[in-house]
Amino acid sequence: GQQLNQSPQSMFIQEGEDVSMNCTSSSIFNTWLWYKQDPGEGPVLLIALYKAGELTSNGRLTAQFGITRKDSFLNISASIPSDVGIYFCAGQKGETSGSRLTFGEGTQLTVNP
Amino acid sequence: NAGVTQTPKFQVLKTGQSMTLQCAQDMNHNSMYWYRQDPGMGLRLIYYSASEGTTDKGEVPNGYNVSRLNKREFSLRLESAAPSQTSVYFCASSEAFDLAQHFGDGTRLSIL
Repeated sequence: GQQLNQSPQSMFIQEGEDVSMNCTSSSIFNTWLWYKQDPGEGPVLLIALYKAGELTSNGRLTAQFGITRKDSFLNISASIPSDVGIYFCAGQKGETSGSRLTFGEGTQLTVNP
Repeated sequence: NAGVTQTPKFQVLKTGQSMTLQCAQDMNHNSMYWYRQDPGMGLRLIYYSASEGTTDKGEVPNGYNVSRLNKREFSLRLESAAPSQTSVYFCASSEAFDLAQHFGDGTRLSIL
């Protein structure tokens, strides 16, 4: 089936540093989504991207929909301790049937105060 | 603002027992989904309902059944639980099939 390669798998950073993570695929997607999951909770939608080349911000978070439609990037600026968690990318083809979210395996982010 | 509500939050079953996981959303969403999350494997789709009255298999449907009871509710049933079904189960919903999904907080299921 479809696969998303998300990297890095884990990151250990100091508070205040910027963070970058990305997802790549061999398939084209029409939608890219970024989620954050805290321990014991469900994934929470951070940013949704619906157009190739789109750059969208949500506070300190910025995500981009790659122009090839095969990749997406998430940047977090000036990290804080509450940024700790697992970040998932997800791609969706957007067809009227059989259109399913395919998830990356996640990036575990640790922020040291 | 409840969003997506899953019950129960935790459950322990013995092999061979049956169980229904409940999910309800109050966002008037048309589409609903069931996922399982296992360590190192991300989220995998079990079944989905693109709209009320329809259900379809996802990536890992074997051993599960679903019912879209009405627009708000989508249940997942394990008829004969197996240890391989030990996982965290997430329900999600979206306004339409190709729009962003919103997740519940999960049901942690252990099968002994």
